Amino acid sequence: DAGVIQSPRHEVTEMGQEVTLRCKPISGHNSLFWYRQTMMRGLELLIYFNNNVPIDDSGMPEDRFSAKMPNASFSTLKIQPSEPRDSAVYFCASSLGWGDSYNSPLHFGNGTRLTVT
Amino acid sequence: GESVGLHLPTLSVQEGDNSIINCAYSNSASDYFIWYKQESGKGPQFIIDIRSNMDKRQGQRVTVLLNKTVKHLSLQIAATQPGDSAVYFCAEKRDSSYKLIFGSGTRLLVRP
Repeated sequence: DAGVIQSPRHEVTEMGQEVTLRCKPISGHNSLFWYRQTMMRGLELLIYFNNNVPIDDSGMPEDRFSAKMPNASFSTLKIQPSEPRDSAVYFCASSLGWGDSYNSPLHFGNGTRLTVT
Repeated sequence: GESVGLHLPTLSVQEGDNSIINCAYSNSASDYFIWYKQESGKGPQFIIDIRSNMDKRQGQRVTVLLNKTVKHLSLQIAATQPGDSAVYFCAEKRDSSYKLIFGSGTRLLVRP
């Protein structure tokens, strides 16, 4: 089991540039999450997908952020245009099942450290 | 509430001793809890989970205790090893919500 795979591990970009973060969930997991971690705010949920469908995107900061899941094995988080306050570590996580009646633990990737200058 | 990670409480223990990391959660409707370990430069790693219909669950060298009366969760690590040094987070899922809310974390330092 390769676990959740994220790329790139590090991304340094200039303000105004587009940034795309990528995630491959664990095979067979039907739930996918994007989290952001900062010193000030800790771990925050950005968006949650179930069976490739966005279920809860209330944590997405603003319209500059968008996420897609075109198939069960791939998701992207895009920031356009990026700003210095977007600097954080972005984690993708997947779960075998997540919902009202059944919950399986989230398994996290090792994150993408984004620095926007 | 939402996690705030500015000042992490730290627990320092001697190698071989038992560690107890505590967590207070806020919502009595929370029905699922998870403990995570995060090492520097890595993502949170699942340790153990517990559902609200249980008050204790054991894994390998770890035990989670849930006290719903006082909304308290603890993680006990037996025979703490240097490799256990990390930040530990508790997380709660609130009933009828999709969000897994993380606590602020506790840093565990293991002295050789």
